Amino acid sequence: TQLLEQSPQFLSIQEGENLTVYCNSSSVFSSLQWYRQEPGEGPVLLVTVVTGGEVKKLKRLTFQFGDARKDSSLHITAAQPGDTGLYLCAGARGTGKLIFGQGTTLQVKP
Amino acid sequence: ETGVTQTPRHLVMGMTNKKSLKCEQHLGHNAMYWYKQSAKKPLELMFVYSLEERVENNSVPSRFSPECPNSSHLFLHLHTLQPEDSALYLCASSQDWPDNEQFFGPGTRLTVL
Repeated sequence: TQLLEQSPQFLSIQEGENLTVYCNSSSVFSSLQWYRQEPGEGPVLLVTVVTGGEVKKLKRLTFQFGDARKDSSLHITAAQPGDTGLYLCAGARGTGKLIFGQGTTLQVKP
Repeated sequence: ETGVTQTPRHLVMGMTNKKSLKCEQHLGHNAMYWYKQSAKKPLELMFVYSLEERVENNSVPSRFSPECPNSSHLFLHLHTLQPEDSALYLCASSQDWPDNEQFFGPGTRLTVL
């Protein structure tokens, strides 16, 4: 069974702090997506990383794909209350079937 | 309407009821998906349709019956559900299949009494 382990599962921080969410697997993925989901809504795609070692930035969010394409991280700089939500990573192996992690719930307090 | 829409947003049903969930995508995509999201569990893929043909059925119980009449619409027919089927049911679409960039609807929160 392909598994994506996300950590931490829950994170509560103050506004302005930095944080990193990790997504790890023993399997190699052809690409990896990060999604953000707010309560009562569906996941919204933030970024797709494809190349080992790739780094992508989206404003205060930095996404990195591991060199071996087995892991990824999401770093948020100076977190804002608007960053609150459930962050999901999903790995793909070219079959059209995404393997999702269990998610990281982030709460940013003003 | 833009993106992926789902109706109803909330549904409460008894175990003997029959109901249907509806999904519509306004993105011109060719593939549509049903996922189940339960608390503290990863999203579970249920069904995939590509060009109105079912291409993936992830060992889902027969009390869930999908229907894809055209590339823009997807239904999930429900009958004789169990309380453990209570979850958020998410519809998604992608340009083609296989395609890893999937766009999700807001989901239907289903409660089975």
